[in-house]
Amino acid sequence: EVQLVESGGGLAQPGGSLRLSCAASGFVFSSYSINWVRQAPGKGLEGVSYISTTSSAIYYADSVKGRFTISRDNAKNSVYLQMNSLRDEDTGVYYCARGYGGNSYHSQHWGQGTPVTVSS
Amino acid sequence: DIQMTQSPSTLSASVGDRVTITCRASQSINSWLAWYQQRPGEAPKLLIYKASSLESGVPSRFSGSGSGTEFTLTISSLQPDDFATYYCQHYITYSSYSFGQGTKLEIK
Repeated sequence: EVQLVESGGGLAQPGGSLRLSCAASGFVFSSYSINWVRQAPGKGLEGVSYISTTSSAIYYADSVKGRFTISRDNAKNSVYLQMNSLRDEDTGVYYCARGYGGNSYHSQHWGQGTPVTVSS
Repeated sequence: DIQMTQSPSTLSASVGDRVTITCRASQSINSWLAWYQQRPGEAPKLLIYKASSLESGVPSRFSGSGSGTEFTLTISSLQPDDFATYYCQHYITYSSYSFGQGTKLEIK
């Protein structure tokens, strides 16, 4: 069974940092791209970042570029999202999602999400 | 960036109804479109990919159609579990704006 388990969310002050992790199991992790998608309270879905199978392609939303860094460790079946210089508008639930196949941009499996609250 | 616009934003319907949700792209995305269902408090779930391919395990009452810039998601006979929010997403390129704004399907 495919599983994606996010962790690392919580309360951070504006300007602070958090590191989200996504632990994957049940599939050949190195064969799939990973997306981080967030959802602000009561709002829709927004793509935050994407990483390809070999980390050769990495993309960010304009709103997080220069502040967030995505990485993956295929040996540990994990993806990370380092979030620095956090802003109020970064508040939301952050989902880790596995690409459909290869380096696809859409997501077949999603984790349950980890909540991030940025507030003083 | 390609913009995705869903309509309606809210849809009220009854169990057994046939409903259609529309998603329009600001430029052609061929058939690179997915539909997701999200129930309150849950993660999104993939329903349809490549505009009309049904994801494994998804009931056949869900169907997708379209290509280019106009797409539809149809639920042939609404079931209680179907009342949720639906999102379209293009994946012709990576974009943080690839999702539509969502359509909330409510019980009438």
